[in-house]
Amino acid sequence: GAGVSQSPSNKVTEKGKDVELRCDPISGHTALYWYRQSLGQGLEFLIYFQGNSAPDKSGLPSDRFSAERTGGSVSTLTIQRTQQEDSAVYLCASSLPGRGYTFGSGTRLTVV
Amino acid sequence: GENVEQHPSTLSVQEGDSAVIKCTYSDSASNYFPWYKQELGKGPQLIIDIRSNVGEKKDQRIAVTLNKTAKHFSLHITETQPEDSAVYFCAASKNSGYSTLTFGKGTMLLVSP
Repeated sequence: GAGVSQSPSNKVTEKGKDVELRCDPISGHTALYWYRQSLGQGLEFLIYFQGNSAPDKSGLPSDRFSAERTGGSVSTLTIQRTQQEDSAVYLCASSLPGRGYTFGSGTRLTVV
Repeated sequence: GENVEQHPSTLSVQEGDSAVIKCTYSDSASNYFPWYKQELGKGPQLIIDIRSNVGEKKDQRIAVTLNKTAKHFSLHITETQPEDSAVYFCAASKNSGYSTLTFGKGTMLLVSP
């Protein structure tokens, strides 16, 4: 597609439930990133995929968070046993190596 | 790791005035510095970037300056318009973008007509 697509755009879930967030990057972009944006805060790095290399998971806040990227394209971020502090906007971005990111519009996650 | 500080957190200007947002970074190995604009309900959009081999870059009403010695870089917007109102983020990375970006906390710019 023309841009980075994220789904769902909004997700309300009950505390303790698992959620999956999806990202469709720009076709041909080898790099894919997940960031988290809490209210009034900057963008917190979560995980980075580059081609066939092992992902950089150094930003994942706990073992409840995981992500995968299938076929070098679509990525899914999974949060298990959601907590209220997980409430945030989850942003996905893709890029060509060494180039600026193109962000999606994000998934707003609310844990009640 | 890298730490990026951004100031001010909010900035209000009159239409037609200039706006300046400043960022400092901690890792002297950082060499790629993009700026993003985020409008309400949207993801951040790249508006300009600079690499450490240049000191200034302009694109119409937007310019970015970089001082490697002092480890700071700034965004300058001239002749501001109401549609410039948004949150602006600075960021830094090493390897000219082949690694993850570290972002500042953002500046909310409000341009009043």
